[in-house]
Amino acid sequence: DGGITQSPKYLFRKEGQNVTLSCEQNLNHDAMYWYRQDPGQGLRLIYYSQIVNDFQKGDIAEGYSVSREKKESFPLTVTSAQKNPTAFYLCATSPQFRNSPLHFGNGTRLTVT
Amino acid sequence: GESVGLHLPTLSVQEGDNSIINCAYSNSASDYFIWYKQESGKGPQFIIDIRSNMDKRQGQRVTVLLNKTVKHLSLQIAATQPGDSAVYFCADSEDSGYALNFGKGTSLLVTP
Repeated sequence: DGGITQSPKYLFRKEGQNVTLSCEQNLNHDAMYWYRQDPGQGLRLIYYSQIVNDFQKGDIAEGYSVSREKKESFPLTVTSAQKNPTAFYLCATSPQFRNSPLHFGNGTRLTVT
Repeated sequence: GESVGLHLPTLSVQEGDNSIINCAYSNSASDYFIWYKQESGKGPQFIIDIRSNMDKRQGQRVTVLLNKTVKHLSLQIAATQPGDSAVYFCADSEDSGYALNFGKGTSLLVTP
């Protein structure tokens, strides 16, 4: 989706290092989300934010942190406390929090060795 | 928590045939349902959605059917094309919930 930019597309880190994934949107959407996708699996919700300066834990928030200082940006930090960080991370936005389609970025593939 | 799942992990169809991808959901309070298409290395793309006050909705070459009695959702793709090859996800949410709950996906392969 051209309105959501995730960078970089591929990211490599050593075990024990924190890493921050970028998500920027120009859709003027209030809600933003981070999902994790593992091979052959569905998407699992890490964190979500309904509005600036507010965010909530999703189903698998342990080992992750986020911030929402600007409407356009919702960075995700994968900390060294995340036991299995290698995955495909997807950022999404929606114009309203409930009952509306999510618009996804093209993801960041993180590999931790 | 309750989950959304899919009956078949893979589906192979011939070009030009119709495809039907099925999805079972377990949360009786779900009131919003959505289908996504994901191509390799990309983020999911919205296909079509439906609310619980409807049982059918049509888009361009796609139709979503909702059977609330048996908690079943299906996506029908007419005249399937090679470009339709992808993984398809269903997802649901309820008004009191906080986000979409995704199933594991069905891989659709269109053969010439």
